[in-house]
Amino acid sequence: GIQVEQSPPDLILQEGANSTLRCNFSDSVNNLQWFHQNPWGQLINLFYIPSGTKQNGRLSATTVATERYSLLYISSSQTTDSGVYFCAVRETGFQKLVFGTGTRLLVSP
Amino acid sequence: DAGVIQSPRHEVTEMGQEVTLRCKPISGHDYLFWYRQTMMRGLELLIYFNNNVPIDDSGMPEDRFSAKMPNASFSTLKIQPSEPRDSAVYFCASGGRSYEQYFGPGTRLTVT
Repeated sequence: GIQVEQSPPDLILQEGANSTLRCNFSDSVNNLQWFHQNPWGQLINLFYIPSGTKQNGRLSATTVATERYSLLYISSSQTTDSGVYFCAVRETGFQKLVFGTGTRLLVSP
Repeated sequence: DAGVIQSPRHEVTEMGQEVTLRCKPISGHDYLFWYRQTMMRGLELLIYFNNNVPIDDSGMPEDRFSAKMPNASFSTLKIQPSEPRDSAVYFCASGGRSYEQYFGPGTRLTVT
């Protein structure tokens, strides 16, 4: 099956700093989503981005499907950005999402 | 829309007891997914439905697990009998034709 790798596994930032999270996948996909799992365990949709670039406030994401990677940018980080960020992909011809192992982000004041 | 609704939010039960988790998907979505999250295995798909019909249950761990979707607005995941290794957070998600999936708040299950 498809493999999804995220890096870095852990990230500690000072409030106000910028960061880039990466997601690599091993096969062609027709769906890619970024989620934020907050400290209460809730999975929050950030982006549905099978290709191209999207922005939402301080967050933006870019997926280059032909090169099998996606990037999530967080600018001017805030303590509320802390949590785990997951990339999940849907392999062509299948319905299920395959999740990466996540990037654990801690933003300190 | 209220989003995906799951109940209960927390469940503590003793080994051997039956556990039933419930899910109400987003209205109009025709896909429903059950996932389990553990520290060891991360997030993994257990089963999914399309138009109330189970399509892929290859992720269901064993016969103790069963899932039903009697109508478009309700699904259950049942564990009978429960075991301590079933302790996890169980998520329900739903999706429409865009294939974007939306997750419920999860049910944290503890089996003692």
